[in-house]
Amino acid sequence: EIVMTQSPATLSVSPGERATLSCRASQSVSSNLAWYQQKPGQAPRLLIYGASTRATGIPARFSGSGSGTEFTLTISSLQSEDFAVYYCQQYNNWPGTFGQGTKLEIK
Amino acid sequence: QVTLKESGPVLVKPTETLTLTCTVSGFSLSNARMGVSWIRQPPGKALEWLAHIFSNDEKSYSTSLKSRLTISKDTSKSQVVLTMTNMDPVDTATYYCARIRGGPFDIWGQGTMVTVSS
Repeated sequence: EIVMTQSPATLSVSPGERATLSCRASQSVSSNLAWYQQKPGQAPRLLIYGASTRATGIPARFSGSGSGTEFTLTISSLQSEDFAVYYCQQYNNWPGTFGQGTKLEIK
Repeated sequence: QVTLKESGPVLVKPTETLTLTCTVSGFSLSNARMGVSWIRQPPGKALEWLAHIFSNDEKSYSTSLKSRLTISKDTSKSQVVLTMTNMDPVDTATYYCARIRGGPFDIWGQGTMVTVSS
C-alpha cells in the first residue's frame, strides 16, 4: 500500500498571501495524484487531478505540480473561502490512499 | 446534474452488520471507466478509502477491512450497496460514496454519519 505524507499538518497564512502545501508518496504514483478541499461539515471537493489539472469550476488561483513522489498544491492569493483542510490522494495503485490532510488556517 | 446520496442507519450496535446504499443520478453505473467508491472519515480524522466497484463489476477492497466488506451494485436501480460486518465503536464515522471517473473521485455524496454504540 502506498503511503501519502502531507506537510505541514497545519499552515497559518494571511488572506491575500500564497499558500504552498506538500504531499509525498512512498513510491512513484506517476501523475496520478488528486487534491481535495474539505470544509467543516461538508464532503470533500475535487480540486486538482492528474497532479496539475484543475477540476471543473475550480478557480485559477489553485495550481498543482509535481510527479513521481513529490507534489505541491499552491493557492496563489488566499481568499476567505479557501481556509479548509486539504487532502492529497493517489490513484495510481489501488487502494487509492489519502494523505492525513493539511489544515489551512487564517493567520 | 450528477448526484450521489448515501442512506442507511444512523446508529448500529457492536457486532451488527451495517448496510449502506448509495443512490446515483445523472449517470449510469454501466458507463465505461466509471465506478463508485465508499470512503469513510472518523470524527476529526482523515479520509479512508474502503472499496470500489466499476461498471464491469470489478471490485476492490481495503486490505485491512477486506474480510468485513462486500460491495455490490444494482444498475437498474442506480444503487451501490456496501455491507460491513461485525461493527465496532472504532467504525464510527461519516461514510461517503463518490464517483470514480478515470481515476479521481470527482463527485461526492453528502455523507452519512454512522455511530456504533450499544
